[in-house]
Amino acid sequence: GGIITQTPKFLIGQEGQKLTLKCQQNFNHDTMYWYRQDSGKGLRLIYYSITENDLQKGDLSEGYDASREKKSSFSLTVTSAQKNEMAVFLCASSPRTGGGAETLYFGSGTRLTVL
Amino acid sequence: QQNVQQSPESLIVPEGARTSLNCTFSDSASQYFWWYRQHSGKAPKALMSIFSNGEKEEGRFTIHLNKASLHFSLHIRDSQPSDSALYLCAVSMGYAQGLTFGLGTRVSVFP
Repeated sequence: GGIITQTPKFLIGQEGQKLTLKCQQNFNHDTMYWYRQDSGKGLRLIYYSITENDLQKGDLSEGYDASREKKSSFSLTVTSAQKNEMAVFLCASSPRTGGGAETLYFGSGTRLTVL
Repeated sequence: QQNVQQSPESLIVPEGARTSLNCTFSDSASQYFWWYRQHSGKAPKALMSIFSNGEKEEGRFTIHLNKASLHFSLHIRDSQPSDSALYLCAVSMGYAQGLTFGLGTRVSVFP
């Protein structure tokens, strides 16, 4: 078995601030994802990466940057925090190409609050 | 762009009843269909998947997929209070496309 660790669990920032969320996985999975979940609703894909140094934009990528410098880690940067993006950010990983046939394993999330 | 819709938004059922959840998708080229379950304050976890038309049963859970109708469903037999959660359906187009999730159905099972 493995685990996905997201840090920090809670992140509080000021409007306009640049904020970074981190994710580590020890499954040795190839593909990693960042999703945003608003108020206990569905998940929207921000970025994903099918291998080290690869980045693919999801539907919600505007206002975010991502970085995959190692296979085991995937970070997400909110470039200028806005009050309407207070949400839970979920990191996930899957074994291979991100083609949708594999199970996604999720971390427990980072809850972002913008003051 | 894929559009995934779930119904109903919420459901309250008595213990022991059958629960039925629906998911529609917009792109007929979709290939992989999933249900995830998320208990309050926890990470979503994969529940079941189906990749071809028809039905698949695992314990108390059954998935039906009808690609021609752009619809799949999840049925829970003998619902338990521990089944109370947010149920998320998800669809993938295939290679390197990621998963598109619906907004979820919140299920509450009362004893």
